[in-house]
Amino acid sequence: GAVVSQHPSRVICKSGTSVKIECRSLDFQATTMFWYRQFPKQSLMLMATSNEGSKATYEQGVEKDKFLINHASLTLSTLTVTSAHPEDSSFYICSARGQGIAGALTDTQYFGPGTRLTVL
Amino acid sequence: AQTVTQSQPEMSVQEAETVTLSCTYDTSENNYYLFWYKQPPSRQMILVIRQEAYKQQNATENRFSVNFQKAAKSFSLKISDSQLGDTAMYFCAFMKPGAQKLVFGQGTRLTINP
Repeated sequence: GAVVSQHPSRVICKSGTSVKIECRSLDFQATTMFWYRQFPKQSLMLMATSNEGSKATYEQGVEKDKFLINHASLTLSTLTVTSAHPEDSSFYICSARGQGIAGALTDTQYFGPGTRLTVL
Repeated sequence: AQTVTQSQPEMSVQEAETVTLSCTYDTSENNYYLFWYKQPPSRQMILVIRQEAYKQQNATENRFSVNFQKAAKSFSLKISDSQLGDTAMYFCAFMKPGAQKLVFGQGTRLTINP
């Protein structure tokens, strides 16, 4: 239980294009999902908190218009990196918050496998 | 604001040995959650163990156990009979109930040598 998938696992795009990353909770419903960015050999940096059916809450310093987050259902959240540039190249990880059912503990985040974005 | 500190950037032990990873945190809250997550070379973050602050009993999961010292604000992870597959980055994390956000430590890179 408590499996989170992320797609794609790797993406290479040209500068100026947009890239969409999907995060799905496969066996539990997640009213809250999170998007993180991780630089090499560093800890995870929270970018935004996404609640189903409402606007995402972005952390300070994260550009809302650049990193568009949509959480349209209880099992799917998407992160779109708009007009990507080389400095956006990074490892992006999503997580979903458990609700105490289907093997997902309450107040516990379960992570997807991550997406490596490379912008040329 | 809560902070989490992992003072050991890297550790290395031989297979089958026991290793303890340190974590301290700072909070004025009385009730909260503490977590250890493991990130192996695949970079998939895996929940290792969770501790609820109101529980005095230390959490255990097979070879993994914690030493939770609430007054000292310490939350160390002990790995017994270490295996090669335990090689990973280990992150300690704090969360207030209902606050949703995890506060992560800097991580400890653990290498298990054959």
